[in-house]
Amino acid sequence: KQEVTQIPAALSVPEGENLVLNCSFTDSAIYNLQWFRQDPGKGLTSLLLIQSSQREQTSGRLNASLDKSSGRSTLYIAASQPGDSATYLCAVNSNTGNQFYFGTGTSLTVIP
Amino acid sequence: AAGVIQSPRHLIKEKRETATLKCYPIPRHDTVYWYQQGPGQDPQFLISFYEKMQSDKGSIPDRFSAQQFSDYHSELNMSSLELGDSALYFCASSFGGLNTEAFFGQGTRLTVV
Repeated sequence: KQEVTQIPAALSVPEGENLVLNCSFTDSAIYNLQWFRQDPGKGLTSLLLIQSSQREQTSGRLNASLDKSSGRSTLYIAASQPGDSATYLCAVNSNTGNQFYFGTGTSLTVIP
Repeated sequence: AAGVIQSPRHLIKEKRETATLKCYPIPRHDTVYWYQQGPGQDPQFLISFYEKMQSDKGSIPDRFSAQQFSDYHSELNMSSLELGDSALYFCASSFGGLNTEAFFGQGTRLTVV
């Protein structure tokens, strides 16, 4: 079974800093990996999708990378803002079934 | 742009009652996923459908059932509710099954008292 882990569990940074969130998964047989943002008690907002054949994806201040062979993905947030405060979840879509396996999440707080 | 619609947004039920959650995918999406998220937990996969057929099954209790209808909307039926069923239930949809981006709804918050 796919196991997805995110480090760190919580992160607090001052506004303007660049930061990296990490996601690791145990089974490299994946279709894609998706990063989500979740505000407290709210739904999941898709940030970036990386297909298994891709190395990275960028959207605005966000850049996600994927190293499938080592089972790792990173989400880079540039010039962080207080509005970036949320929980960030990575989800892996394994090719052994039709479901997403979620990581444990990183709770990010950006201090003004 | 249209998003995934879930109803109701909030639901309060008593123990042993039945609840039905509905999910309306993004137009033309043919795949639906259901997830359960307990307080402070990451989302746990319950079940998925592709083209109205069940495509994968996760940790869905036998008390729960789900289906995808001809118009691609899906319903999650939950019977004999227990206190531990209190959670946020998410539905997600995608087009073409496995290799495409999934979009999540805002969730239904179920509270069992």
